[in-house]
Amino acid sequence: AQKVTQAQTEISVVEKEDVTLDCVYETRDTTYYLFWYKQPPSGELVFLIRRNSFDEQNEISGRYSWNFQKSTSSFNFTITASQVVDSAVYFCALSEAAGTSYDKVIFGPGTSLSVIP
Amino acid sequence: DARVTQTPRHKVTEMGQEVTMRCQPILGHNTVFWYRQTMMQGLELLAYFRNRAPLDDSGMPKDRFSAEMPDATLATLKIQPSEPRDSAVYFCASGLMNTGELFFGEGSRLTVL
Repeated sequence: AQKVTQAQTEISVVEKEDVTLDCVYETRDTTYYLFWYKQPPSGELVFLIRRNSFDEQNEISGRYSWNFQKSTSSFNFTITASQVVDSAVYFCALSEAAGTSYDKVIFGPGTSLSVIP
Repeated sequence: DARVTQTPRHKVTEMGQEVTMRCQPILGHNTVFWYRQTMMQGLELLAYFRNRAPLDDSGMPKDRFSAEMPDATLATLKIQPSEPRDSAVYFCASGLMNTGELFFGEGSRLTVL
């Protein structure tokens, strides 16, 4: 069975600090997909990134970066120089492969990030 | 700008009443998901469809919940009879399963008194 764990329930940082959100996943499949979504106070979930299990390259997008390590089943998310607008709940998610497509997407419990001015 | 549209945005009802939530997925998307979000349980997958066919509804209480896609432009989630423990925000999301990215609606906030 697939499972996503986000051990950090809440994190508070001061603006401009770097922060890393942890994500650990469990799956028996060798082909799977990992995601991060952001849920700002407005409530709508927004897609941030997708990574497949064959691609362990780290990715950077502006102030965001992701570190995928299959050896530890982790897909961590770092925000550099955090800003107040980064305050949100961040969800890590997992989808096992179904042929050439994605299967159901399971979300972790989320980490609530507060960036204090 | 294509969006997933959910109605109603807010619903207050009394225990025992029937509740129907509707979702219009983004045109061309072949997969639709229903999630329920609560403080205690987080985001729970209730059901999902691919090309209008139900693939998995194991997360849904079968005795009172039902999900359908009568056509490609409409997905429905029905609760009958509703109970106070059903109070939550219900999200619909659509996507293309060869990309995996889900587009979420704004959610339907349900309160059952």
